Amino acid sequence: DAEITQSPRHKITETGRQVTLACHQTWNHNNMFWYRQDLGHGLRLIHYSYGVHDTNKGEVSDGYSVSRSNTEDLPLTLESAASSQTSVYFCASSRTSGATDTQYFGPGTRLTVL
Amino acid sequence: GEDVEQSLFLSVREGDSSVINCTYTDSSSTYLYWYKQEPGAGLQLLTYIFSNMDMKQDQRLTVLLNKKDKHLSLRIADTQTGDSAIYFCAEIPDAGGTSYGKLTFGQGTILTVHP
Repeated sequence: DAEITQSPRHKITETGRQVTLACHQTWNHNNMFWYRQDLGHGLRLIHYSYGVHDTNKGEVSDGYSVSRSNTEDLPLTLESAASSQTSVYFCASSRTSGATDTQYFGPGTRLTVL
Repeated sequence: GEDVEQSLFLSVREGDSSVINCTYTDSSSTYLYWYKQEPGAGLQLLTYIFSNMDMKQDQRLTVLLNKKDKHLSLRIADTQTGDSAIYFCAEIPDAGGTSYGKLTFGQGTILTVHP
C-alpha cells in the first residue's frame, strides 16, 4: 500500500548540531510539506515543495532548509539546532494543489534539542 | 491576515453530542477542513466544506458554516470514547493565489470523552 513515512520517530540532539529528518512517500505526489506542531499554535508550515527541485519557505522557515531531488523524498535539515526547535514535526503530501486534494500526513518525528 | 482560532479543550460524556467551534478571518477562504489527530499519530482528514455551502453531513459528523460571522463548527453525534482526539480546523486562504494548496491550521481542540 502507498504510504508516507518519517524517520526517525524520536530524536534527541544537542544545541548547535545539524539534524536531518527524513520524509518519504510512495504515492508519487507532486506536493510535499513540512509542519511543526506546538501546543497552542496548531501546525505551522515550515517549507513546502510543488515538485522536484522546487522548494518554498513557509511561515516559520528560519533555521530550516529542505531539498527535493526526487519525487518521493523531502528531507528537512536543521542547520544548527536550537532549543526553540524542540517540537513534533509532520511531513505531508498531496497529489495536486487543488483544494479538494487531501493532504496525507506522516506519523510525526518528536525532536528534543537539549 | 490569516488567522484560525479554536478553543483548546472540550470534555463531554459518552453518548452526548460534541460541538467544536472555529473562527477564521480570511474572507477569501474557499475550502474549510476538519482534521483529527489521535494520540501519537499524524493528522487525518475528517471532512471539508466548500464556502458556498452552509452545512454538510457525513454519518455522525455535521459541519456548519456561517460565512457572515466566519464561524465553522463540527458536531459529532453520539460521541464515543474512540472520538477522543485533537481536532483541527484548517483553511486554504486563497485557493487560486499564492496560498495554493497551503493549509492554515487552528490551534486544535482536545476532545475528551468520559464513559
